[in-house]
Amino acid sequence: AQSVTQLGSHVSVSEGALVLLRCNYSSSVPPYLFWYVQYPNQGLQLLLKYTSAATLVKGINGFEAEFKKSETSFHLTKPSAHMSDAAEYFCAVSFGNEKLTFGTGTRLTIIP
Amino acid sequence: GAVVSQHPSWVICKSGTSVKIECRSLDFQATTMFWYRQFPKQSLMLMATSNEGSKATYEQGVEKDKFLINHASLTLSTLTVTSAHPEDSSFYICSANRGRNSEQFFGPGTRLTVL
Repeated sequence: AQSVTQLGSHVSVSEGALVLLRCNYSSSVPPYLFWYVQYPNQGLQLLLKYTSAATLVKGINGFEAEFKKSETSFHLTKPSAHMSDAAEYFCAVSFGNEKLTFGTGTRLTIIP
Repeated sequence: GAVVSQHPSWVICKSGTSVKIECRSLDFQATTMFWYRQFPKQSLMLMATSNEGSKATYEQGVEKDKFLINHASLTLSTLTVTSAHPEDSSFYICSANRGRNSEQFFGPGTRLTVL
């Protein structure tokens, strides 16, 4: 069965520092991979997605992620954290059947 | 474009009553709509998938008689929580896509509190 694992339920970084949120998937077929952001009491907003095109995907708000098949990873990065990046981040996987399977989420805290 | 709305944004009800939550795609026709449930500080769990004009497909462990889904048109799906109990209190989120294998667009969520 498809699954996605997010390492670290809570990540804290200083403002201006690198953000790295980890996501690994398990699959026997090529997946579609997504990163979503959720602010308190709100729905989800798509940050970026990988759908078998370029392995380095650029998203909104300065985020990007790299698909590494050999490591079954799709880690999310941002060179310089901003206070407004504080939120919950979810990695999700799909196999073309439209159903999304979400990771457990990572809460990102930005330290002033 | 691709805006999904939910109504109400929050609702408080008494135990034993039924609550209806609406999910609308405002500027596109949704091929498929999805309903998720999210407990505090947890991830989203898919409850069911619905296609316009057909019965919803429920995930394992989700009671179809408890959570009634009606997908009446290409822009509207409703989730009715019947005979709600405190354990049904949760954040319910819908999403919609506008074509097979397309991106899902998420609504802002509905917080249900059952007293």
